[in-house]
Amino acid sequence: SQKIEQNSEALNIQEGKTATLTCNYTNYSPAYLQWYRQDPGRGPVFLLLIRENEKEKRKERLKVTFDTTLKQSLFHITASQPADSATYLCALEAGYNTDKLIFGTGTRLQVFP
Amino acid sequence: DTAVSQTPKYLVTQMGNDKSIKCEQNLGHDTMYWYKQDSKKFLKIMFSYNNKELIINETVPNRFSPKSPDKAHLNLHINSLELGDSAVYFCASSPGTSGDEQFFGPGTRLTVL
Repeated sequence: SQKIEQNSEALNIQEGKTATLTCNYTNYSPAYLQWYRQDPGRGPVFLLLIRENEKEKRKERLKVTFDTTLKQSLFHITASQPADSATYLCALEAGYNTDKLIFGTGTRLQVFP
Repeated sequence: DTAVSQTPKYLVTQMGNDKSIKCEQNLGHDTMYWYKQDSKKFLKIMFSYNNKELIINETVPNRFSPKSPDKAHLNLHINSLELGDSAVYFCASSPGTSGDEQFFGPGTRLTVL
């Protein structure tokens, strides 16, 4: 069955540094992958989508890579700020060209001033 | 101006009771979803509807019954509540095309005593 791992349950970094979060998956080949941010007591908020034919996508201080050979996505936040502290979830499309998402367990990022 | 709204925000009830959670979206989206987020923060799809038609029905006990009176509303009715049903339930919507971002509601925290 499909399996997604975000291999850091929590990540603590200093303000101004680059945060790198990892999402690994096994047993299938998704057509796309999304990243969401979730703050405590709130629903997830969409950040970025990257498709299988794209290597990299950027949005302001955010960068996502997608390596379909390694079955891995990396999510980078450059010049991190305390306001970036949240849980970040990766989500993979569960069946080719569907809108069904399978979510990873999330990485809780804490940025210290 | 709330895009996806859910009621109630909190629901505390006794085992064996029947309860409903309501969801409404004003984004004009065709697809709506119900997710369950457990105590370990794992977010799992339960159901999705596209234009009032059931599309995704994960392995969910049949005590859970979604109902979509129109494409802007998706309600979740739960019969004979059990302790293990305690979780946060999120409603979400999307335009309905593969890869579209999903817009999540604020969640309903259900506690079964």
